[in-house]
Amino acid sequence: EDQVTQSPEALRLQEGESSSLNCSYTVSGLRGLFWYRQDPGKGPEFLFTLYSAGEEKEKERLKATLTKKESFLHITAPKPEDSATYLCAPPLWLIFGAGTRLAVHP
Amino acid sequence: EAQVTQNPRYLITVTGKKLTVTCSQNMNHEYMSWYRQDPGLGLRQIYYSMNVEVTDKGDVPEGYKVSRKEKRNFPLILESPSPNQTSLYFCASSPKSQGMNEQFFGPGTRLTVL
Repeated sequence: EDQVTQSPEALRLQEGESSSLNCSYTVSGLRGLFWYRQDPGKGPEFLFTLYSAGEEKEKERLKATLTKKESFLHITAPKPEDSATYLCAPPLWLIFGAGTRLAVHP
Repeated sequence: EAQVTQNPRYLITVTGKKLTVTCSQNMNHEYMSWYRQDPGLGLRQIYYSMNVEVTDKGDVPEGYKVSRKEKRNFPLILESPSPNQTSLYFCASSPKSQGMNEQFFGPGTRLTVL
């Protein structure tokens, strides 16, 4: 059965404290991955597409990387406005991970 | 403004009373889909449509129907809602059904079935 696992479920950081979120999936025969951000009460908002292992994408304080089996979303010197739930999804969009709830405190 | 709209945003209903949640996009996208989001389970796809008159089941289609008569609209129909369909529902669209294209999501519809 296809599975997408994100860890940790929740993460609390102080402003400026860098960390990483993980996404692993067992969808066989597929390459690539999407990352989305979801704010409370809103629909997910697209962040990145990673097409193949070894690829990296950056946007402001976020950097996404992809290996053959997992992806990382690195957050460098986060600010309170980075607080959100971050979701990942493999291609075909059938399932998304349950997400990591990130809270960044001043 | 390019967007995906859903109506209603909130709905409380009773078991067995048919309901429709509308979804519309103004970006001329080919691909549209419906998801439900439940705590701890993430987003799960209910149905998707690659173009007008072309629909297919996603990961959790039981108890739902869809139709795609126009490119811009993709309504979700619950013929006989049950309490286990209480959830947060999202409609999404994408320019193409093939390849690694991003999806644009609507604001969500929170459904409660009593």
